[in-house]
Amino acid sequence: GNSVTQMEGPVTLSEEAFLTINCTYTATGYPSLFWYVQYPGEGLQLLLKATKADDKGSNKGFEATYRKETTSFHLEKGSVQVSDSAVYFCALSDRGYSTLTFGKGTMLLVSP
Amino acid sequence: GAVVSQHPSWVICKSGTSVKIECRSLDFQATTMFWYRQFPKQSLMLMATSNEGSKATYEQGVEKDKFLINHASLTLSTLTVTSAHPEDSSFYICSARGDYNNEQFFGPGTRLTVL
Repeated sequence: GNSVTQMEGPVTLSEEAFLTINCTYTATGYPSLFWYVQYPGEGLQLLLKATKADDKGSNKGFEATYRKETTSFHLEKGSVQVSDSAVYFCALSDRGYSTLTFGKGTMLLVSP
Repeated sequence: GAVVSQHPSWVICKSGTSVKIECRSLDFQATTMFWYRQFPKQSLMLMATSNEGSKATYEQGVEKDKFLINHASLTLSTLTVTSAHPEDSSFYICSARGDYNNEQFFGPGTRLTVL
């Protein structure tokens, strides 16, 4: 079956540091890959997505590249801000958006 | 963007009672709604998928008689946890999807504690 593995948190960084959150997946076929973000007290929001190999999703300074050869979709940001503190979920779907399989989530804490 | 609300945001109940959680799409019509359950430090697990006006489709291992899902209108779905027990304590999250695209929009979640 499908599964998503992402690094455990919390990840603690200082403002303007470089961020990487690792995500690897197991799936049949060619899934679509997603990163969701959950700010405190709010629902999950789609941050970025990629639907095929070598696609790069990007939004709000975050980016992730769909790497089929390593089955990975690592999230990166060059310079984090305090406002980026949240929980980040990697997810996949092999049927469009119909069914999402999530990783456990990684909490990011950014200090001034 | 599309907004999904959940009510209540948290609830505490006694063992053996039933609890209803509402999920509403505030500014779009949700033909499909999803219910997830999240344990601490665990991923979101899909419990069931419901389409407006029809019976929900439950994932393997989810008791349909315990977790009753109703999706009677295009803006409201409810999850009722019947005869709740402490092991049902969890964070329940809904999402909703309209017809105009396939994206799921998530609610903020409901924290259920069963004493």
